[in-house]
Amino acid sequence: AQSVAQPEDQVNVAEGNPLTVKCTYSVSGNPYLFWYVQYPNRGLQFLLKYITGDNLVKGSYGFEAEFNKSQTSFHLKKPSALVSDSALYFCAQGAYNFNKFYFGSGTKLNVKP
Amino acid sequence: DTAVSQTPKYLVTQMGNDKSIKCEQNLGHDTMYWYKQDSKKFLKIMFSYNNKELIINETVPNRFSPKSPDKAHLNLHINSLELGDSAVYFCASSQGRTGGKNEQYFGPGTRLTVT
Repeated sequence: AQSVAQPEDQVNVAEGNPLTVKCTYSVSGNPYLFWYVQYPNRGLQFLLKYITGDNLVKGSYGFEAEFNKSQTSFHLKKPSALVSDSALYFCAQGAYNFNKFYFGSGTKLNVKP
Repeated sequence: DTAVSQTPKYLVTQMGNDKSIKCEQNLGHDTMYWYKQDSKKFLKIMFSYNNKELIINETVPNRFSPKSPDKAHLNLHINSLELGDSAVYFCASSQGRTGGKNEQYFGPGTRLTVT
């Protein structure tokens, strides 16, 4: 069965520093991978996705993610964190045969001034 | 314009009651979903409909009954509410029936509290 792991419950970073939020997936072949952000009391917002092609995917708000097939990872990155990036981040994997996402458990990002 | 909207935003009710949550999307998508987010923020899919047809039912208690009058609307009715039903319920939509390669767009959520 497909599954997605976010090994860190929380990531703390200082404003202006680079940030990384980790995600690993488990499936053979080429996965469909997504990142979402959830601000307090809000719904999930789509940030970016990897379906095929270039391993570095650029998304909204300056975020990018790197697909690494050998490490089965899809880590979310940003070169310079903002306090306003503080939120809950979810990695998700799409199923091949039907419209279903497997979500990770979420990582809370805290960006301190 | 709100892409995926849900009503109500908050719902407080007593055990044993029946309640409904409504969802509408104006994105022209043909697939809609209901998710449950528990107190630990874990997201779990409940149902998925494509063009009014149920395509995913994730072993949800039959007290939960989704209804899709058309492809732009997906409502969730819950009978005999229990304390464990307290959660945030999200509606979402995406384009396409097969393959999870299309991003899903989420509504703002409905916070259900059962007392």
